[in-house]
Amino acid sequence: QKEVEQNSGPLSVPEGAIASLNCTYSDRGSQSFFWYRQYSGKSPELIMSIYSNGDKEDGRFTAQLNKASQYVSLLIRDSQPSDSATYLCAVISGGSYIPTFGRGTSLIVHP
Amino acid sequence: DGGITQSPKYLFRKEGQNVTLSCEQNLNHDAMYWYRQDPGQGLRLIYYSQIVNDFQKGDIAEGYSVSREKKESFPLTVTSAQKNPTAFYLCASSPVYQGVNQPQHFGDGTRLSIL
Repeated sequence: QKEVEQNSGPLSVPEGAIASLNCTYSDRGSQSFFWYRQYSGKSPELIMSIYSNGDKEDGRFTAQLNKASQYVSLLIRDSQPSDSATYLCAVISGGSYIPTFGRGTSLIVHP
Repeated sequence: DGGITQSPKYLFRKEGQNVTLSCEQNLNHDAMYWYRQDPGQGLRLIYYSQIVNDFQKGDIAEGYSVSREKKESFPLTVTSAQKNPTAFYLCASSPVYQGVNQPQHFGDGTRLSIL
């Protein structure tokens, strides 16, 4: 059974701080990793994809992947109240195209 | 603009009734998926389809049925056998490549409640 684990939170950070969201996965053969943001009552929207070890930056977002330790993280710099949402981690194993989703981490950015 | 259209936005089901949720995409994606999301929970896969006229059960298929007669369309029927249908239903699509996996794109969802 492939598992993707996230701390449900909530993770509370002050405005302007760095929010760090973590995700671990069980299948060592996983190859594709995605972070989605889901606002309350809305559908998930893709914010980052990462496929190789290391960091990938896009604006205020940085995804970090460490396949040896089987974790992927998302850093949000200069957090804003509009970043308050649930962040879902999704992982696809080699040979598949279907992602396994974590339950999500709730992030609250307070002014 | 390309995207995924789900309808209706809200749906109410009476006891013993079957209801059908619509999902249409114009992204030319091969794969389509249906998920159920309960409050405070992650996404649970109901059914998925990679090609027309073929689909597979996901983790929680009991009480649901689907069809894939056209590449663009993947309707989900919630049957009367699904005793607890109240949830947020999400349709998604993605390309299916032999190389790098591509992420899923989601519709806006349908919220289903029991009358």
